[in-house]
Amino acid sequence: QQPVQSPQAVILREGEDAVINCSSSKALYSVHWYRQKHGEAPVFLMILLKGGEQKGHEKISASFNEKKQQSSLYLTASQLSYSGTYFCGTDGGFIQGAQKLVFGQGTRLTINP
Amino acid sequence: NAGVTQTPKFRVLKTGQSMTLLCAQDMNHEYMYWYRQDPGMGLRLIHYSVGEGTTAKGEVPDGYNVSRLKKQNFLLGLESAAPSQTSVYFCASRPTGIGNEQFFGPGTRLTVL
Repeated sequence: QQPVQSPQAVILREGEDAVINCSSSKALYSVHWYRQKHGEAPVFLMILLKGGEQKGHEKISASFNEKKQQSSLYLTASQLSYSGTYFCGTDGGFIQGAQKLVFGQGTRLTINP
Repeated sequence: NAGVTQTPKFRVLKTGQSMTLLCAQDMNHEYMYWYRQDPGMGLRLIHYSVGEGTTAKGEVPDGYNVSRLKKQNFLLGLESAAPSQTSVYFCASRPTGIGNEQFFGPGTRLTVL
């Protein structure tokens, strides 16, 4: 079942902060975050694993609440380059070892000068 | 390293025509995936593979077939294209192990008239 992202869109001025949320109705093993610019492929930002392990870019921070089946992505002191659509992908565990991700509908972030 | 490449980048088909999309990766990844992305939506998994010679269905497999005859290549076939298959198709690959991200190709924009 597709995770739900909120907000659907947000507009910021450069330097402001934003939080993007991802919520699932299923128990999660991991949450992945990707950013996609218009006409381009998604680019990896971060993985958060059950148990607290994280892997990703140093300038990006995120949280994963396993009990609530939720994750949040924190973008602080936003830069123009942060603009794009952010997707969370959730995974309920290894099925045939394949780590199948189900992606949310995306959050469109616009940063203005 | 070229990473993940996709061929072709653009294609226009008439209803009922067939075609094959090629995905190639040079990172020796075991796992490969095909997604479709429709306007304003997230990525939906069509088919995936956990290794050479193996394939499995994702969320939206109807109307598509896949093959993984070589580890580095993952082919997506449309036997009889329909307008509903107009979309952007992304291929991704991932190494084995927990907590590894998916690497995406640049995408193929397909229009079915």
